[in-house]
Amino acid sequence: GAGVSQSPRYKVAKRGQDVALRCDPISGHVSLFWYQQALGQGPEFLTYFQNEAQLDKSGLPSDRFFAERPEGSVSTLKIQRTQQEDSAVYLCASSLDFDNEQFFGPGTRLTVL
Amino acid sequence: AQSVTQPDIHITVSEGASLELRCNYSYGATPYLFWYVQSPGQGLQLLLKYFSGDTLVQGIKGFEAEFKRSQSSFNLRKPSVHWSDAAEYFCAVGDNNNDMRFGAGTRLTVKP
Repeated sequence: GAGVSQSPRYKVAKRGQDVALRCDPISGHVSLFWYQQALGQGPEFLTYFQNEAQLDKSGLPSDRFFAERPEGSVSTLKIQRTQQEDSAVYLCASSLDFDNEQFFGPGTRLTVL
Repeated sequence: AQSVTQPDIHITVSEGASLELRCNYSYGATPYLFWYVQSPGQGLQLLLKYFSGDTLVQGIKGFEAEFKRSQSSFNLRKPSVHWSDAAEYFCAVGDNNNDMRFGAGTRLTVKP
C-alpha cells in the first residue's frame, strides 16, 4: 500500500484485557512513531523507533504499555491489563529517516469498557 | 518547555468566507512549526510547516500560515473556505520533524 496502515481500526476491550495494535509503515521508512490521542485532544507522543531500535519511550504512560519493531518494519503497540483511561485513538506515523516529514496512519480507536 | 495553545475549540464559517485559525506557542528558540488537518476516519495530513526563511509559508489546499516571532504565533489562513475543509486542525511545535508537541485542535464547521 502507499500509506501507513493500522489494524484493527476499532478495538473494544474489557477492562483488564491485553490488546495489541499493529502498524505497517510505508515501505522503506526507517523511523516509526506511536501517538495517543484522547478524545478532544491533540496527539501525544508515546514512543519512537529508528529501524528496530526503540530510541525514545519517554511518552509511554505506564509499564503496561510496550512497543516493539523486531525487524525494523511492522510495529506492535501492546497494552496490558487495559484500563478505561487507555481509551483513545492510537496513531502510528513513519518517516523516511530521522528528521523527515512524518506520514500518519488512520489510527486505531480503542474503547475499554 | 514547549507548548502549543489553540485558543478556539470550534469555529464556524460560511462557505466562501475567509478563515484564520490561531496558534500560539511557547518555545525557547526558533521552533519548527506545523499545521495538520484531520478528517473523520483519516490520518493527520501535513498542510504546511515552518523552520526558517520566509515567515509566510504556503501549504497545500490553498492554506498559508505566518510565523510572527514577536507574538509567538503561527496562525493558519485561507482566503475562501470550501465545504471540504470541514475537519479538525492541529498546530504543532518541535525541535525538528521528529519532536512534535500538538495543540488540542480547532474543529472547523463550514456552513453552506
